[in-house]
Amino acid sequence: NAGVMQNPRHLVRRRGQEARLRCSPMKGHSHVYWYRQLPEEGLKFMVYLQKENIIDESGMPKERFSAEFPKEGPSILRIQQVVRGDSAAYFCASSPDGPYEQYFGPGTRLTVT
Amino acid sequence: GQQVMQIPQYQHVQEGEDFTTYCNSSTTLSNIQWYKQRPGGHPVFLIQLVKSGEVKKQKRLTFQFGEAKKNSSLHITATQTTDVGTYFCAGPWGGSSASKIIFGSGTRLSIRP
Repeated sequence: NAGVMQNPRHLVRRRGQEARLRCSPMKGHSHVYWYRQLPEEGLKFMVYLQKENIIDESGMPKERFSAEFPKEGPSILRIQQVVRGDSAAYFCASSPDGPYEQYFGPGTRLTVT
Repeated sequence: GQQVMQIPQYQHVQEGEDFTTYCNSSTTLSNIQWYKQRPGGHPVFLIQLVKSGEVKKQKRLTFQFGEAKKNSSLHITATQTTDVGTYFCAGPWGGSSASKIIFGSGTRLSIRP
């Protein structure tokens, strides 16, 4: 019974490159949330998706950031033209039914050099 | 704006002492969730409270949801070194169509053996 999978676990990008973060939810979960966490800080909501739909993206910057959760395959958080301020841990979480108990993946630590 | 505040930000206790963290929301919540994040780890779901005035226990941990469903607390009796970590409360945001989940700022617990 695999939990939430995220890859890569660590990602290093140079300024201006693209970062693609992947999240496979728990089996049977169709709701995915993405969060960003800076060192020593809390979790900041970015986006909530269901299969093929973005439900709430109010926490995601309008430019350079996008997310998808296709019918088949993992959810993808994409950051274009990364800047140093994008360095953070990005967690995804899945739930079976909306804004209730969530199960987190191990996170992707993004470092922009 | 809508916020979830947690106090204290840090708590350093002697092993065996009790610990309490408080969570306050600016609006009524349909449910409140608690998570624990160990240093370097990812948030792990602990419990969800739904009913006004609800109290739930998990071994040495006691969770309470306020009568007005705007505040909550987590109390740990006789702390152990395994309790070290940051404790977050979280709740759905967005009124009747609440979709995103907002996390509190967290309380970091450290323990003197």
